[in-house]
Amino acid sequence: AQSVTQLGSHVSVSEGALVLLRCNYSSSVPPYLFWYVQYPNQGLQLLLKYTSAATLVKGINGFEAEFKKSETSFHLTKPSAHMSDAAEYFCAVSDGGGGADGLTFGKGTHLIIQP
Amino acid sequence: DAGITQSPRHKVTETGTPVTLRCHQTENHRYMYWYRQDPGHGLRLIHYSYGVKDTDKGEVSDGYSVSRSKTEDFLLTLESATSSQTSVYFCAISENMGDGYTFGSGTRLTVV
Repeated sequence: AQSVTQLGSHVSVSEGALVLLRCNYSSSVPPYLFWYVQYPNQGLQLLLKYTSAATLVKGINGFEAEFKKSETSFHLTKPSAHMSDAAEYFCAVSDGGGGADGLTFGKGTHLIIQP
Repeated sequence: DAGITQSPRHKVTETGTPVTLRCHQTENHRYMYWYRQDPGHGLRLIHYSYGVKDTDKGEVSDGYSVSRSKTEDFLLTLESATSSQTSVYFCAISENMGDGYTFGSGTRLTVV
């Protein structure tokens, strides 16, 4: 069974600063990895995904993530934070099967942008 | 989200009453899921479906039942609502795990 750990339930950065949200996973097989973003009072929206192609994945809104198998990590970054990036971010992993183990989510990281 | 809608968006109900939430998809995806989202707990899987009339329990299924009589509709029923079921409920659909899930906009349920 997979598991996902997101380090830090809250992360605060200044506008214009680097954003780094950490995600570590455990999976017994090569995984699919995802980052979702949730803006207030909305559903989750897919930000980017890794599906065994390039290890550096680019997503929407200037975000990217790098798959590092040796570190079992899939950290999310953005070079320069914008006020509109304030949201909840969820990392998720799948081993390719459906059903109850379709996607396993981390508990989320709330990103706060300081003006 | 395009292709998936939840209804109602908001509901207030009294303790002990039955409540049904609806998830409707137009994508013809095989898998459908119901999650609840609560502060400090992230997303928790309630029930899921892998086809018409094929459903199974998730990690927090007590007090909930589901039905899927058509590919496009997945209903979540709270048999007798309790205050602990006050939450935001999300439906998600999937066909291929490589594409992840598509989520609905959520239903905010308050049990008073």
